[in-house]
Amino acid sequence: KAGVTQTPRYLIKTRGQQVTLSCSPISGHRSVSWYQQTPGQGLQFLFEYFSETQRNKGNFPGRFSGRQFSNSRSEMNVSTLELGDSALYLCASSLRDVDNEQFFGPGTRLTVL
Amino acid sequence: QKEVEQNSGPLSVPEGAIASLNCTYSDRGSQSFFWYRQYSGKSPELIMFIYSNGDKEDGRFTAQLNKASQYVSLLIRDSQPSDSATYLCAVTSYGKLTFGQGTILTVHP
Repeated sequence: KAGVTQTPRYLIKTRGQQVTLSCSPISGHRSVSWYQQTPGQGLQFLFEYFSETQRNKGNFPGRFSGRQFSNSRSEMNVSTLELGDSALYLCASSLRDVDNEQFFGPGTRLTVL
Repeated sequence: QKEVEQNSGPLSVPEGAIASLNCTYSDRGSQSFFWYRQYSGKSPELIMFIYSNGDKEDGRFTAQLNKASQYVSLLIRDSQPSDSATYLCAVTSYGKLTFGQGTILTVHP
């Protein structure tokens, strides 16, 4: 069974731009969560989607948004990029919810210049 | 108080020894507990999960959970240099998975 895939793997953007990241979960998994990982803050929860609905959201500004499609694939968008948004963005999928095992994709490394 | 706390380390153990990693959490309602391993430059890899009080063993790994003390640990027996990585404790809390800052483990030959 294929694992979680994320595209693109690397991105370089400049301040003020916006970016869209994509995540395809493991087949059969319906819950998709997004995380931001930085050396200073560690792994921080962004949001979780299930059946195209956002079920939970972390403490991030409204510039961070996401969506999930009917095939469970998910995208996250960051608008008006700031230098501090440079991070590894990780997507994880699980069968139903966060109490099930979550499996991570390889991540998207975003650099904001 | 952080929701999930781990000693950042680094924890250094000799090859063949037992490595003991600890984690405490603040939400008494937490139901699920996970240990992830993350190599430098890679994404986290799930190595153990535990839902009930007590011990759970899988190969060289043993997870221990004590809900009364709000404590979860990971033991790695017969540690190998390939076990050198950052170990992340994760706990479900308020509908989300919260991670500790991670413990850096170094296994030296």
